Amino acid sequence: SQQGEEDPQALSIQEGENATMNCSYKTSINNLQWYRQNSGRGLVHLILIRSNEREKHSGRLRVTLDTSKKSSSLLITASRAADTASYFCATGTNTGNQFYFGTGTSLTVIP
Amino acid sequence: EPEVTQTPSHQVTQMGQEVILRCVPISNHLYFYWYRQILGQKVEFLVSFYNNEISEKSEIFDDQFSVERPDGSNFTLKIRSTKLEDSAMYFCASSKRGPDGYTFGSGTRLTVV
Repeated sequence: SQQGEEDPQALSIQEGENATMNCSYKTSINNLQWYRQNSGRGLVHLILIRSNEREKHSGRLRVTLDTSKKSSSLLITASRAADTASYFCATGTNTGNQFYFGTGTSLTVIP
Repeated sequence: EPEVTQTPSHQVTQMGQEVILRCVPISNHLYFYWYRQILGQKVEFLVSFYNNEISEKSEIFDDQFSVERPDGSNFTLKIRSTKLEDSAMYFCASSKRGPDGYTFGSGTRLTVV
């Protein structure tokens, strides 16, 4: 299975702290995306990183990709209460356009 | 910013009934997808659609399911004879090509009673 696994499953931090979530996957990928989902709501695309990239930034988000370790991390800096949500990694391969989602990390940011 | 629109946002149906979930992908996108998320579980790929035919489907997408692009704008998922375990959030997505511009809709919550 190509599906990723996020770690930790749940994370609780104080507002202002940084949050780091990790994603591991099993097979070769073409790209990896991170999504955010508020409880019972839709999926919001955060960032796409391709297999030939090692790091990308978008605002307070920093994503790294280590294809040799088959892992990615999402760092949210200076967290806010509004960042409370579930965060998923999703891997894409060269065969087909579907994404394989991980199990998600539930982030709680305490005001 | 262009959006993928899904209707309805919530649908309740009796077990055994047929349901049609509707999606309007982004207008210049060529690839269309359906995913589902059972409550508390991961998002799972169901099917991808390109050039008016299914390009890939998962094991979940059995004969109970079908997809259609009945006109130039809508993309539908039909579930025949719904079962209790079909209760889930169903997400439509579209992309221009590959992962570029891959956009999800806000989902339809299907409840089978």
